[in-house]
Amino acid sequence: SQQGEEDPQALSIQEGENATMNCSYKTSINNLQWYRQNSGRGLVHLILIRSNEREKHSGRLRVTLDTSKKSSSLLITASRAADTASYFCATDLNTGTASKLTFGTGTRLQVTL
Amino acid sequence: NAGVTQTPKFQVLKTGQSMTLQCAQDMNHNSMYWYRQDPGMGLRLIYYSASEGTTDKGEVPNGYNVSRLNKREFSLRLESAAPSQTSVYFCASSKKLPGLAGGFGGELFFGEGSRLTVL
Repeated sequence: SQQGEEDPQALSIQEGENATMNCSYKTSINNLQWYRQNSGRGLVHLILIRSNEREKHSGRLRVTLDTSKKSSSLLITASRAADTASYFCATDLNTGTASKLTFGTGTRLQVTL
Repeated sequence: NAGVTQTPKFQVLKTGQSMTLQCAQDMNHNSMYWYRQDPGMGLRLIYYSASEGTTDKGEVPNGYNVSRLNKREFSLRLESAAPSQTSVYFCASSKKLPGLAGGFGGELFFGEGSRLTVL
């Protein structure tokens, strides 16, 4: 079963606009991560936010985490055509072993000129 | 550095055939993983290896076996392929990070994927 669910499933915006993607999860987590996947490629790590953090920034990315609502959001500001990709949230359940991340189903972002 | 390398990139099998997907990482990471990605399903963990010499089942292990050959290499074997195993397979690795529980929970580094079709 999927731990994380992204919303919306697909998002189409114009270059320069902001894109917001949301992720909800079901159980307590150790940390939450966001990944990006270009078509036909592997996933690339974007940002990690720990359960005791509420907000984190990395360049044009802003991630928030609300553990009381079991949700996270990824904001991409001033989007570019090159941001077109699928974005996945992944939760780490802190099993004490490896990084057993559970991925959501992703948001497909299309940025048009 | 190459990062995580998977072979082959594409493979077509007939039902009942066997094959092995190879994965190697050159980042000296302790943990390695195999995921499968299906449309609308996101990524699902098949098997993982927390460290050299150990392997454990993930969410969808049935029909697969793995071998952690050494610290660099982690292979995934399909003994008798079935059409339900048609998917894109991703290998990933991660390193221990201080400050996180058990040193785990860090980012994953992914290979480019292996697209498998079972007819």
